Amino acid sequence: EVQLVESGGGLVQPGGSLTLSCAASGFNFSDYWMHWVRQAPGKGLVWVSRINNDGSILNSADFVRGRFTISRDNAKNILFLQMSSLRAEDTAVYYCARRYGGNSDLDYWGQGTLVTVSS
Amino acid sequence: DIQMTQSPSTLSASVGDRVTITCRASHTINRWLAWYQQKPREAPKLLIYKASTLEVGVPSRFSGSGSGTDFTLTISSLQPDDFATYYCQQYSSNSRTFGQGTTVEIK
Repeated sequence: EVQLVESGGGLVQPGGSLTLSCAASGFNFSDYWMHWVRQAPGKGLVWVSRINNDGSILNSADFVRGRFTISRDNAKNILFLQMSSLRAEDTAVYYCARRYGGNSDLDYWGQGTLVTVSS
Repeated sequence: DIQMTQSPSTLSASVGDRVTITCRASHTINRWLAWYQQKPREAPKLLIYKASTLEVGVPSRFSGSGSGTDFTLTISSLQPDDFATYYCQQYSSNSRTFGQGTTVEIK
């Protein structure tokens, strides 16, 4: 069974840093591109970042470029999102998602982890 | 960047109704469009990809159509489990863009 379990969320002050993790199981993690998507409270889905299967290709949304870094450890089946210079508007539930590939896209999602940026 | 515009934002309907949600892309995305369903406090669920291909396990009352810039999601006969928020999403580019969502409410 495919499982994605995010962790690392919490309360952080503006300007602070946080690293999110997404533990993957039930599939060959190193074969798949992975994404981060966020959702502010009561708002819609917003794409954050993606990484290819071996970590050599990274893309991020303009609003996080230079502040957030996506990475992965294929030996441990973990996806990361390192976040720095956090702002109040980064407050959201952060989801990791697997890209199936071929004609499909984000077919499995984690349950999300809440990041709250507040003083 | 490719922008995605969904309409309506909210839709009130009854069980058994036929429901249609539209999604428009600011640039052509061929058929690289997915639809997701999200219920409160749950992660999104993939319903349709490549504009019209039903994900495994998704009921056949859901269907998608369109290409280029204009797309639709149709629920042929709304069921109680279908009251949720629906998002379109393009995957034509190196990034992803979601529509703002359409909430299907009980009339």
